[in-house]
Amino acid sequence: DIQMTQSPSSLSASVGDRITLTCRASQDISNYLAWFQQKPGKAPKSLIYAASNLQSGVPSKFSGSGSGTDFTLTIGGLQPEDFATYYCQQYSIYPPTFGGGTKVEIK
Amino acid sequence: EVQLVESGGDLVQPGGSLRLSCTGSGFTFSNSAMSWVRQAPGKGLEWVSAISGSGASTYYADSVKGRSTISRDNSKNTLHLQMNSLRAEDTAIYYCAKVHGRVALAGTLGWFDPWGQGTLVTVSS
Repeated sequence: DIQMTQSPSSLSASVGDRITLTCRASQDISNYLAWFQQKPGKAPKSLIYAASNLQSGVPSKFSGSGSGTDFTLTIGGLQPEDFATYYCQQYSIYPPTFGGGTKVEIK
Repeated sequence: EVQLVESGGDLVQPGGSLRLSCTGSGFTFSNSAMSWVRQAPGKGLEWVSAISGSGASTYYADSVKGRSTISRDNSKNTLHLQMNSLRAEDTAIYYCAKVHGRVALAGTLGWFDPWGQGTLVTVSS
């Protein structure tokens, strides 16, 4: 199975900060990479697909980049509603696998 | 609005069985590959199973293979997951999700959007 490693596992940031989360695949997955946001007690919500495509309805402060094995999710101008856990997921080969998540907390 | 609603979660004893259901609306259900993804308490996300729009192709995680069966009834816009020989480690919230899949593999391999609200399965004596 392809292992997805996210870093950091948690980070503290302030409202208005710009942050970058990292996701690394254990082998080349081209651009078959998605990002999700999950708030406590809620289902995950899709943010980005194909590494850099914004899901419909997601604000443009979210952006994704990368290909091959290294990917990033950048969130510009953090707002209180952005404090959540973020997961990456590869869909290059079966089984689809998720990273362990990055929890973004308020400083 | 595309919507998915799960049901069927419950407290069940180890070795028991459970059937989860997920009803979709707001999209052409029969054209859409679907998946189940689970999340153990306080843990991350784990893909469980996927099925093509026609139901002809199915895929399973090794952790549930041989104990679970995914199926669908397109006449009722409903997805199912039959789980047998349940273990404590199957305790989780189970989400159904619409798959935005690649052309290969009958569209079953892709990213997930939207997700249902989840249904809780607890395996304990």
